[in-house]
Amino acid sequence: GDSVTQMEGPVTLSEEAFLTINCTYTATGYPSLFWYVQYPGEGLQLLLKATKADDKGSNKGFEATYRKETTSFHLEKGSVQVSDSAVYFCALMNRDDKIIFGKGTRLHILP
Amino acid sequence: DAGVTQSPTHLIKTRGQQVTLRCSPKSGHDTVSWYQQALGQGPQFIFQYYEEEERQRGNFPDRFSGHQFPNYSSELNVNALLLGDSALYLCASSPYTGVRGNEKLFFGSGTQLSVL
Repeated sequence: GDSVTQMEGPVTLSEEAFLTINCTYTATGYPSLFWYVQYPGEGLQLLLKATKADDKGSNKGFEATYRKETTSFHLEKGSVQVSDSAVYFCALMNRDDKIIFGKGTRLHILP
Repeated sequence: DAGVTQSPTHLIKTRGQQVTLRCSPKSGHDTVSWYQQALGQGPQFIFQYYEEEERQRGNFPDRFSGHQFPNYSSELNVNALLLGDSALYLCASSPYTGVRGNEKLFFGSGTQLSVL
């Protein structure tokens, strides 16, 4: 079945470091891809999305590129801040319009 | 705009009991989806309601049921609670667009259910 695999955390970085969180997917056809963020005590918020191959989603300094050849959608940010500390979820929307989430990656940014 | 609101925020029940969780969608949204998020896991899709009918369902047993009201608000009911039902239950709303509507999901903060 369709699935999403993302790197396990927690990931701990110093402020201003470069961030990469890996995400790969398995799906039939051409899914839409998403990154959601969950801050402590809150629900999920859509961070960015890409709906077709080679699309780049971006928001708040975060970027991810839809790579169909490697079935990947890695999240990157050039300089992280303490306020970026949260849990990040990679997700896909399959051909049945169902959203399938990865297990999440907890990110800690140290000042 | 109040966004998606869920109640209660926390709930404690014992095995075998029944529970009802409530959700009001974001203004302008008519479709409501429910997700279960176990500790350390990603959200798992339970079901989706549109026009007061269940439109899609994930791999959850019949103990999980729902309802949508004419004002688009929704309830999630779980019968015969098990310890494994302990989780954060998230409600998400979206505008119905026929196709790819789930690309515009807005989530509530969730209800934390503990089953003892």
